[in-house]
Amino acid sequence: ENVLTQSPATLSLSPGERATLSCGASQSVSSSYLAWYQQKPGLAPRLLIYDASSRATGIPDRFSGSGSGTDFTLTISRLEPEDFAVYYCQQYGSSPVTFGQGTKLES
Amino acid sequence: EVQLVQSGAEVKKPGESLKISCKASGYSFTSYWIAWVRQMPGKGLEWMGIINPHDSDTRYSPSFQGQVTISADKSITTAYLQWSSLKASDTAMYYCARQWSGDYWGQGTLVTVSS
Repeated sequence: ENVLTQSPATLSLSPGERATLSCGASQSVSSSYLAWYQQKPGLAPRLLIYDASSRATGIPDRFSGSGSGTDFTLTISRLEPEDFAVYYCQQYGSSPVTFGQGTKLES
Repeated sequence: EVQLVQSGAEVKKPGESLKISCKASGYSFTSYWIAWVRQMPGKGLEWMGIINPHDSDTRYSPSFQGQVTISADKSITTAYLQWSSLKASDTAMYYCARQWSGDYWGQGTLVTVSS
């Protein structure tokens, strides 16, 4: 199984700052099949990025994804108050699909 | 509009059986896989498995193989997750999601298993 490790576990920033979240894979992610999700308390996860760098429908362009192989990054260029949440990466290039343990972005 | 609407919260006793549902609408049901994801209280996301409603091809995470059954009824565009004998450790929120990369998610079904 491809184990995903996210860092940091918690990221403390202020609105207007830039956030950089990392996701490392134990094996190369096939075809860059990596996604990023945002989850707020009491709500279902929301897809932000798929295929490592493609923004999902309706996602603001302050969210961007990059990386390939075993190292991936989610960047939020300028934090808005509504961006404070937990973020998960997921690889779907090999079975079983796996998620990272999450990064909590707090203000 | 794509929607995945899940069945309501359940409270069950250990050893009981349960089947929860995920009703899809707004797209061609047989054109997209449907996955199930577990989230235990205060914890992260765990991928359980996925089904292709077109031909019922189903893949399970090894962690959940033999513990649950995923199925789909294309006549009523609904996917299911079922247990034959619940344990207290099955207490969690369960989500359905469309596609291997979950582009749309259900609202979640909270399953509580307690004696």
